[in-house]
Amino acid sequence: DAGVIQSPRHEVTEMGQEVTLRCKPISGHNSLFWYRQTMMRGLELLIYFNNNVPIDDSGMPEDRFSAKMPNASFSTLKIQPSEPRDSAVYFCASSKYRVNEQFFGPGTRLTVL
Amino acid sequence: AQSVTQLDSHVSVSEGTPVLLRCNYSSSYSPSLFWYVQHPNKGLQLLLKYTSAATLVKGINGFEAEFKKSETSFHLTKPSAHMSDAAEYFCVVSGGSQGNLIFGKGTKLSVKP
Repeated sequence: DAGVIQSPRHEVTEMGQEVTLRCKPISGHNSLFWYRQTMMRGLELLIYFNNNVPIDDSGMPEDRFSAKMPNASFSTLKIQPSEPRDSAVYFCASSKYRVNEQFFGPGTRLTVL
Repeated sequence: AQSVTQLDSHVSVSEGTPVLLRCNYSSSYSPSLFWYVQHPNKGLQLLLKYTSAATLVKGINGFEAEFKKSETSFHLTKPSAHMSDAAEYFCVVSGGSQGNLIFGKGTKLSVKP
């Protein structure tokens, strides 16, 4: 299995631009999680999906952030408009069941100038 | 409510000496517990998990952890540190408000030659 796939691995953009991060979970996993990691705040859960349905988005910082999961093999996290404080590493993870171990992707390092 | 506390933000050991990373949890029921490792600029990788079977759990790379219900602890140990063990380690408990995983703030392990 290829594991969780994220793209792009690195993204540099300017303030105000739209950013879209992509994730392909492990085949057969029915839960998908988006995390953000910064030095200041550590690892934060942004949102998670169960069977493609968003279950808890209370971690999404504000309306500029949105996430979708149109099918079992693809999810996106969008930031519009982006701000410098959004600079972080964004991880996608998937699991077979919500409380089972999660498998993490390599992350997308986002820099907003 | 479930929570997890990693008692040390930074641990430094010499190569060849034992490693002890401490974790305490709080849970209103029998939790699942995990340790993850994150090497610099990498994603999180599962080291080991406890799911109410044997209380001593063996993981990858010679790590193990012991579940002690009376002490609500799940400390991670390794008999002899290797330079490649230098990384950040996260203790994780299952069972957040929506049943997902709750991550500790991490312990950074440094290994001196």
